[in-house]
Amino acid sequence: GAGVSQSPRYKVAKRGQDVALRCDPISGHVSLFWYQQALGQGPEFLTYFQNEAQLDKSGLPSDRFFAERPEGSVSTLKIQRTQQEDSAVYLCASSLVVRGKETQYFGPGTRLLVL
Amino acid sequence: GQQLNQSPQSMFIQEGEDVSMNCTSSSIFNTWLWYKQDPGEGPVLLIALYKAGELTSNGRLTAQFGITRKDSFLNISASIPSDVGIYFCAGQFDQLIWGAGTKLIIKP
Repeated sequence: GAGVSQSPRYKVAKRGQDVALRCDPISGHVSLFWYQQALGQGPEFLTYFQNEAQLDKSGLPSDRFFAERPEGSVSTLKIQRTQQEDSAVYLCASSLVVRGKETQYFGPGTRLLVL
Repeated sequence: GQQLNQSPQSMFIQEGEDVSMNCTSSSIFNTWLWYKQDPGEGPVLLIALYKAGELTSNGRLTAQFGITRKDSFLNISASIPSDVGIYFCAGQFDQLIWGAGTKLIIKP
């Protein structure tokens, strides 16, 4: 497709379960970003990849959060031992150029509910 | 986490009215961005501002980058029903820092 796609669109997990969220960026986009968006709030930065290199993971809230982009295209955000406070929309964005004056194109998000 | 101060939180307006919203920060930014997010979708970029003092239009939308580099506003003229949604400002120095959003509701 032409845009950023994310799957699944919705995920319900039991507390303590591991989840994996997938992002397919726009083909050829160098940069990939993950954000967490709580209800009624703006997105908050989690991590940034330039190709396969994770250059910034300063926004990951705990060591239960792990992201990878092994071949510089598809990325996976993994959350281990999910907690209720992890419930949020997880947004992925990609951009054509390296971080700077880039335009970030967002996917529709994965809505995670932890019970 | 760090966020911008975006106001108002929500607006109830009549179709055809003009809309104004703004963002302020204690930090300076190199770039100010305005996004719109519809329910169940990701944010979509409306306007990007790269220089202090810059005034940029996109159709009925106009945004300005404050000269102090710590604020920005977005105006929408002659609102129409499809303008409904949540508008976010975002400032960028390295990472994107986001406001909490302004929810625009148009009264029938």
